[in-house]
Amino acid sequence: DAGITQSPRHKVTETGTPVTLRCHQTENHRYMYWYRQDPGHGLRLIHYSYGVKDTDKGEVSDGYSVSRSKTEDFLLTLESATSSQTSVYFCAISAISGRSGNTIYFGEGSWLTVV
Amino acid sequence: DQQVKQNSPSLSVQEGRISILNCDYTNSMFDYFLWYKKYPAEGPTFLISISSIKDKNEDGRFTVFLNKSAKHLSLHIVPSQPGDSAVYFCAGRTYRGSGGSNYKLTFGKGTLLTVNP
Repeated sequence: DAGITQSPRHKVTETGTPVTLRCHQTENHRYMYWYRQDPGHGLRLIHYSYGVKDTDKGEVSDGYSVSRSKTEDFLLTLESATSSQTSVYFCAISAISGRSGNTIYFGEGSWLTVV
Repeated sequence: DQQVKQNSPSLSVQEGRISILNCDYTNSMFDYFLWYKKYPAEGPTFLISISSIKDKNEDGRFTVFLNKSAKHLSLHIVPSQPGDSAVYFCAGRTYRGSGGSNYKLTFGKGTLLTVNP
């Protein structure tokens, strides 16, 4: 358990509306990530953060913005949701494990449907 | 450019037999390779990893083999159990620099393993 909580877990929204997904972690990890998972594409990195107010783009960042005002919270915002953003979104953190050294651990996911 | 490829979308095996999941990669900068298991409606969970300087890593029923010259790795599950039925993702890890745990994972598309009782 990497102490990651995502909210909301499920959301249905209309095209054109803004949506914010929240990732909360309790163990003071510096690096946090947002991935999306789609059939036929695996997991793709949207944005990541390497500290408070320090963020950078991943491979599929168009249409998404992020913010990190506190170490424990990493927010993903869809400014104007589109149907192509219907997906499962996973927050992740990078941490050291005794079994594997530095490893990325995932939250339980947020299922977003844009209608 | 797909840097990590899992060419088999699905695999079906009998309980008690060996499951072999394959993964190919193109990026020579990966320093570690990781396998994740994902059940429906849950997040991916870390399973096992291997350093790029090793050729084998074993953890209980799970063994990962790395053939660096062929840029190929495989995950062996022996014996397979019905609870192993899940999607398995292979990922290559690259270090982004600036110290600490600043890593990036590049994932394959996943292989759905079904273990039949």
